[in-house]
Amino acid sequence: SYVLTQPPSVSVAPGQTARITCGGNNIGDKSVHWYQLKPGQAPVLVMYDNVDRPSGIPERVSGSNSGSTATLIISRVEVGDEAEYHCQVWDTESDQRVFGGGTKLSVL
Amino acid sequence: QLQLQESGPGLVKPSQTLSLTCTVSGGSISVSSYFWTWIRQPAGKGLEWIGRIHTSGSTNYNASLASRLTISMDKSKNQFSLQLSSVTAADTAVYFCARQRPVVTRPFDYWGQGTLVTVSS
Repeated sequence: SYVLTQPPSVSVAPGQTARITCGGNNIGDKSVHWYQLKPGQAPVLVMYDNVDRPSGIPERVSGSNSGSTATLIISRVEVGDEAEYHCQVWDTESDQRVFGGGTKLSVL
Repeated sequence: QLQLQESGPGLVKPSQTLSLTCTVSGGSISVSSYFWTWIRQPAGKGLEWIGRIHTSGSTNYNASLASRLTISMDKSKNQFSLQLSSVTAADTAVYFCARQRPVVTRPFDYWGQGTLVTVSS
């Protein structure tokens, strides 16, 4: 089965840039989506199709996807960005929706 | 604005059946073509897709859960439901309901806030 690998945690200072990676075999050939999870709140789609932002998501959130790594980039990080971020793809071979293990973003 | 809300018991005994309902507001689950989906997250782990029901009533399940799983829909109440039988401690998780457009590559664009279900005697 297809596996997505994320670092368990990323820490950045306010105002800096956070890069959260999602690794997978030839993930660059797939559409990657990213979700923000905060305790007690509904998860929020923050990036879809690698680089597209849903309405309401600020321009300082961007994405990239090439080769074996997709990346969610959050510029000018704010305390409110502290959350878990999960990547997700659809694996054609297994016809499964696959999620990464999630990355906890801490804003120091 | 579409909203989804999960409801159901927070504690289920081992070997019993876990039953959850997702109530959709701000839109009808029967008007447009969507997949209405269940996803779960065990503590400290990643998200796991459980299964889905299409507006038409057709279902697709995670193969690892299919033998224990039923997802159904009540259009008159604008709800869809999950039943997972013969539960064990491994089924303890936060359960989310979500919506997906009817193309497999589409993301889950609306989610409920999740409900914690603990399997314990």
